[in-house]
Amino acid sequence: GESVGLHLPTLSVQEGDNSIINCAYSNSASDYFIWYKQESGKGPQFIIDIRSNMDKRQGQRVTVLLNKTVKHLSLQIAATQPGDSAVYFCAENAGNFNKFYFGSGTKLNVKP
Amino acid sequence: GAGVSQSPSNKVTEKGKDVELRCDPISGHTALYWYRQSLGQGLEFLIYFQGNSAPDKSGLPSDRFSAERTGGSVSTLTIQRTQQEDSAVYLCASSATGLTEAFFGQGTRLTVV
Repeated sequence: GESVGLHLPTLSVQEGDNSIINCAYSNSASDYFIWYKQESGKGPQFIIDIRSNMDKRQGQRVTVLLNKTVKHLSLQIAATQPGDSAVYFCAENAGNFNKFYFGSGTKLNVKP
Repeated sequence: GAGVSQSPSNKVTEKGKDVELRCDPISGHTALYWYRQSLGQGLEFLIYFQGNSAPDKSGLPSDRFSAERTGGSVSTLTIQRTQQEDSAVYLCASSATGLTEAFFGQGTRLTVV
């Protein structure tokens, strides 16, 4: 669904640990999903995407997992670094609606 | 340009004044989105343009908000009679088709005093 005025939850991790950020989506017809990273004072930037015909996709230090049964998306960041500190948003796109809906976001705080 | 460009980057206005925010999408992108982000909060959908179709205005919070997209390219978001609660970062994004990755601009930070 769409985020409307929700306060961001925060995930704190130690530098070097793995991070897992979760997102629940609402539309069972959604078939394309993106994770965005938003650093302070900047617009969201693309990290990784996945289509509904896949369960897992890996990038550089990041992995996205999709569980369509429970409508759940997760972003895993390996060996988290201070530069990973940001707000992370998931976005879903239902082909028939032809636009993106954003989750409420999670703030990742990496402790040195 | 190489990316989505928004102007101005910062805007301070007095309560009751009208403001116009501009978005230049990536050339050739048919889909354009406006979102609003209040401090420390998530993205609130405002409006969506796709090609020559009627825009999806379902996210506009009141009739003081309107948006146009001229010639399928540049978009202007207008807020009339601004209120203090309109203070936020207004983000524009464009997508090649609406079914692919959306690229965001840096946003316009609007402060209503």
